[in-house]
Amino acid sequence: GIQVEQSPPDLILQEGANSTLRCNFSDSVNNLQWFHQNPWGQLINLFYIPSGTKQNGRLSATTVATERYSLLYISSSQTTDSGVYFCAPTPGTASKLTFGTGTRLQVTL
Amino acid sequence: DTGVSQNPRHKITKRGQNVTFRCDPISEHNRLYWYRQTLGQGPEFLTYFQNEAQLEKSRLLSDRFSAERPKGSFSTLEIQRTEQGDSAMYLCASSSGWGINEQFFGPGTRLTVL
Repeated sequence: GIQVEQSPPDLILQEGANSTLRCNFSDSVNNLQWFHQNPWGQLINLFYIPSGTKQNGRLSATTVATERYSLLYISSSQTTDSGVYFCAPTPGTASKLTFGTGTRLQVTL
Repeated sequence: DTGVSQNPRHKITKRGQNVTFRCDPISEHNRLYWYRQTLGQGPEFLTYFQNEAQLEKSRLLSDRFSAERPKGSFSTLEIQRTEQGDSAMYLCASSSGWGINEQFFGPGTRLTVL
């Protein structure tokens, strides 16, 4: 099955800093989603981005499907951005999401 | 639209007991998915339904696990003869099933097997 690698595994930022999270995947995909999992375990949808670039406030994402990677940018980080960020592509004609192991982000004052 | 809901939110049971979880998807979503998440890992796919038909099951879904979606609306996931290794967060998601197939997740049911 498709392999999904996320980097870095852990990240500590000071409030106001910017960061880039990377997701590499081993197969062609028809869908890719980014999620933020809050401390209570809820997965919050950030982006549906099988290709191209999207922006939503301080967050933006880019997927280059031909090169099999996606990037999530967080600008002017806030303490509420803390949590685990998951990339989850869907390979080929499949419907299920395959999650990476996530990037654990901690934003400090 | 109240989003995906799951009940119960927490379940503690003794090894060997049977448990059942319920998921109510976003209304008019015809696809429903079950995932399992253990500590420190990303969610892993278990099974999914399109309407009432179960279209795919993971090898993770042993014969002690059964899922149903009898009328194409809510779904149940039953685990028989629970084992300590079944302790995990069980997540349900739904999607429209056509066009942009974005999945939306419920809050999960956290299972602890003693």
